[in-house]
Amino acid sequence: DIQMTQSPSTLSASVGDTVIITCRASQSISTWLAWYQQKPGKVPKLLIYQASTLQSGVPSRFSGSGSGTEFTLTISSLQPDDFATYYCQQYHSQFLTFGGGTKVEIE
Amino acid sequence: EVQLAESGGGLLQPGRSLRLSCTGSGFTFGDYAMSWVRQAPGKGLEWVSFIRGKAYGERPEYAASVRGRVAMSRDDSRSVAYLQMDSLKIEDTAIYYCARGVPAILGYYLDDWGQGTLVTVSS
Repeated sequence: DIQMTQSPSTLSASVGDTVIITCRASQSISTWLAWYQQKPGKVPKLLIYQASTLQSGVPSRFSGSGSGTEFTLTISSLQPDDFATYYCQQYHSQFLTFGGGTKVEIE
Repeated sequence: EVQLAESGGGLLQPGRSLRLSCTGSGFTFGDYAMSWVRQAPGKGLEWVSFIRGKAYGERPEYAASVRGRVAMSRDDSRSVAYLQMDSLKIEDTAIYYCARGVPAILGYYLDDWGQGTLVTVSS
């Protein structure tokens, strides 16, 4: 199976900061990568698919980039609603895999 | 509006079986793959299985951690997907989410999720 590694596992930031989360794949996945946001006690929400395409309704301060094995999720001008855990997921293979998650905390 | 509703969770003993159901509405159910993703208490997301839509032969796929113990099926006439889990283990304890899959070449990303159903395996 393709392994997905996210870093950092926890990130402390303040409102207004720009935050960058990295996701690395154990082999090339082209741009078959999605990002999800999950708040405590809530359902995961799709933010980005195909590495950089914003899901409908997602604020433009979220952006994704990368291809091959290295990807980033950038949150510009962090808002109070953005404190959550973020997961990447590859869908290059029929055996889907998620990264371990990055928790964005209030500094 | 797309809605997904899971049911069938509960408290079970190790070795027992259960069947989870996911009922979809607000979209043409048969056109989409359906997937199960679980989340153990305090842990991250773990993909469990998906079943392709009719156009792709309705073939299921399973994570290595559950392969041989689970079977996913669907009844498009009722807009329901099922997950049959046998020989339950304590490590199967998790919230099980149903999600709708949007196809890529081989895999799927998950654009809508249900609220989840809690499965607790304990003696």
